[in-house]
Amino acid sequence: SQKIEQNSEALNIQEGKTATLTCNYTNYSPAYLQWYRQDPGRGPVFLLLIRENEKEKRKERLKVTFDTTLKQSLFHITASQPADSATYLCALDMNTGRRALTFGSGTRLQVQP
Amino acid sequence: NAGVTQTPKFQVLKTGQSMTLQCAQDMNHNSMYWYRQDPGMGLRLIYYSASEGTTDKGEVPNGYNVSRLNKREFSLRLESAAPSQTSVYFCATNVGLADGETQYFGPGTRLLVL
Repeated sequence: SQKIEQNSEALNIQEGKTATLTCNYTNYSPAYLQWYRQDPGRGPVFLLLIRENEKEKRKERLKVTFDTTLKQSLFHITASQPADSATYLCALDMNTGRRALTFGSGTRLQVQP
Repeated sequence: NAGVTQTPKFQVLKTGQSMTLQCAQDMNHNSMYWYRQDPGMGLRLIYYSASEGTTDKGEVPNGYNVSRLNKREFSLRLESAAPSQTSVYFCATNVGLADGETQYFGPGTRLLVL
């Protein structure tokens, strides 16, 4: 079956370091992948989209890579800040025929001051 | 612009009771979605509406019904609530013209079924 995997364990890092989160998927080839941020008690907010023909995408301190051979996306936050603490979700179009995303369960990032 | 709004914010139901979750958007988007979010399970699609007048089942539709009242509003109904429906429910929208579009989420409705 088609599956999206994100590390369920929280990632704890020191302020100023680079946080790297992983999204792995199996059994299909998405045309694009999206990353969202979710704060406690709130809905997810879109951060970045990367397409299958793009290896890397950047936005300010954020960088996303997309390796269709490994079936993996990496999400990097450089010079991390305590305000970056949140849960980060990856999402893909699983080619189900619906224009709807399938979300991973998310990884919680905690940046210590 | 309010974006995507959901009512109520919180609700406690007894098993067997019914209720309707409301979602409204002022973004003039064509597509609207209902997800539920449970710990460790991620967001799971319940129903969606690709455009006004159409609705389709998602991954976990059992126990739910939906109505796309007009372009702005998409409601989710629980006819006979069960404890397994305790969850956080999110409404989302997107323009609905192409694949890969960003989704915009509401603040969520937290539902507890006793």
